[in-house]
Parts: sequence; C-alpha cells; structure tokens
Amino acid sequence: DSGVTQTPKHLITATGQRVTLRCSPRSGDLSVYWYQQSLDQGLQFLIQYYNGEERAKGNILERFSAQQFPDLHSELNLSSLELGDSALYFCASSSDRGGETQYFGPGTRLLVL
Amino acid sequence: AQSVAQPEDQVNVAEGNPLTVKCTYSVSGNPYLFWYVQYPNRGLQFLLKYITGDNLVKGSYGFEAEFNKSQTSFHLKKPSALVSDSALYFCAVRARTGYSTLTFGKGTMLLVSP
Repeated sequence: DSGVTQTPKHLITATGQRVTLRCSPRSGDLSVYWYQQSLDQGLQFLIQYYNGEERAKGNILERFSAQQFPDLHSELNLSSLELGDSALYFCASSSDRGGETQYFGPGTRLLVL
Repeated sequence: AQSVAQPEDQVNVAEGNPLTVKCTYSVSGNPYLFWYVQYPNRGLQFLLKYITGDNLVKGSYGFEAEFNKSQTSFHLKKPSALVSDSALYFCAVRARTGYSTLTFGKGTMLLVSP
C-alpha cells in the first residue's frame, strides 16, 4: 500500500458526460501528479500540483482540468468525454524535493461508452 | 526534451535464470533514474532509483540496476527470476537541473515461466 488513495476504482459513463476523479496523497506529500495510462499511448503525464498551485502541465486536453485543495487532496475533472478517454487514470504524490520518489495510487479505470 | 527507451516490449525468462530489462535515456545533464513495476489491475510500485553515488543500485524484491553514464543506460537486473516477478516494468527519468517532470518509458512485460 503506497498510502495514496483514489476514488472511485471504476467508472462507467457515456460520451459527452463529465466525471470527477479524486486523489488523496500520502501524509506529508505536497505534490500531486495525474497520469493517464492507455494501451496505445502508454503512461502519459497530465498535470502536477504543488501545495495547491499548478506546477507543471503535460499532455492534458483542454476538456480536462484539475485542482488541489487546502487539505492537499486533488480532483481531476474530465468533461465532454469521448470514447478515446477510456483509460486508467493514476494519481501519484511526492515530497517534491529533487530526486524524490513518486508514489502511485491504485488508479481509476474509466470506461466511456 | 527528455526521453526513455525500453527497446523490448516483452522479455521471457525461465524461473531461476537471471533477468535483464533494458532501459536507455536521454536527458540534459545528469539524471535521476527510476524503475517501477505494475502488476495486473494495480498501480505502479516503486522498485529503485539512482540519485548519486554507487552506479549499482539495489532495490526491492532482489532487483538491482546499473547506471552507465557513457551508454546512458539503466538496465534492471535480478540474479534469479521468480514466477511472481511477471509484471510490467517501467523505467523513468527526470533531469536534475531546473524543474522537470518524470518521463516514463513504454514499459516492458516480463514473463517468467516455471
């Protein structure tokens, strides 16, 4: 158990809908990262938050957004969903001091029908 | 831009034999290097990392990796494979200078046969 929690574990929804994925980082970690894992794209970095502020952006679509709250949990919002958004979404956390390790949550499996 | 190459989609090895999963990287300056493992329907688990010092890094479950700066490689090794080592392995790199995110390779599936 990495100490990173993600909810829900599974999500099934329809095209055009909006969903919210939630992540709670390990105790003491200020950084939260979101990744998307799909068969064709592999593991893609989406976005990072550090202590409530956006720090880095990767291959995140404009339809997707995220935020980190004062209690350091984070939410990833996916809107106008398309079939191609079906993937595993992982959250990771770290202390973000140089060569620190990112610890991953169990993921949310999203299926868009 | 930084990148990671894992040239083998799959590695097959018999239980008890040594295993190697290859990784090469490209990054500006010196790197931080990581290996993660993913079991089916699970998140990525940290195995080991290279920060500085000894080029041979020992990690969890008997795995080790050797940092080779001249060959820009960070191959994962284990002297004796177990069937339970069968999983998807990811190499990742991050630059030391400035601020950069972690870049992952595409992953290598390791299959250990009994």
